[in-house]
Amino acid sequence: RKEVEQDPGPFNVPEGATVAFNCTYSNSASQSFFWYRQDCRKEPKLLMSVYSSGNEDGRFTAQLNRASQYISLLIRDSKLSDSATYLCVVYVDRGSTLGRLYFGRGTQLTVWP
Amino acid sequence: NAGVTQTPKFQVLKTGQSMTLQCAQDMNHNSMYWYRQDPGMGLRLIYYSASEGTTDKGEVPNGYNVSRLNKREFSLRLESAAPSQTSVYFCASSDWGREDIQYFGAGTRLSVL
Repeated sequence: RKEVEQDPGPFNVPEGATVAFNCTYSNSASQSFFWYRQDCRKEPKLLMSVYSSGNEDGRFTAQLNRASQYISLLIRDSKLSDSATYLCVVYVDRGSTLGRLYFGRGTQLTVWP
Repeated sequence: NAGVTQTPKFQVLKTGQSMTLQCAQDMNHNSMYWYRQDPGMGLRLIYYSASEGTTDKGEVPNGYNVSRLNKREFSLRLESAAPSQTSVYFCASSDWGREDIQYFGAGTRLSVL
């Protein structure tokens, strides 16, 4: 079973639409949760962290449900510049050894005019 | 602000050839990582270095070796390249105590023919 599962999409939405991505993780010991953005042929970049109470950053809202081991990302009022692949990432602390990030395979979003 | 710098950006090898991917960071980070990203899959950890002088295997270490030359530099070596190693390779680094926040280089696109 994969550590992090995401719907790969693609999601194709018009400008101004609201779109939601979901992600599940398998390790209940996961401690930190993130959404990364990856533009075509570029490196992943941190979009936002997700904490137990969830958080909002402008048009982006991320939520975490620890009981269901479920993470979501909501993008409101989509812009053309939001077109990218969104990676769900979890961090598992491994005690005396270095913790590790686990990446979902990403959800592709295309916003059209 | 250079951040994490990887060289080369692109490389084509023949099966059996060797090469070293270079990575350097200027953020004084303790920990460094090598990932590979294949189509339809999340980033997978190859090797990591928790601190200068230490290296450990990640999820997919076979066929690779690493060297943590100093605090800044972490190289990945393919001794005898195979077509299965065709991938995009990302180097990342993280600060002490914040291994959950990693900064990525721009990647190396490697094709093995």
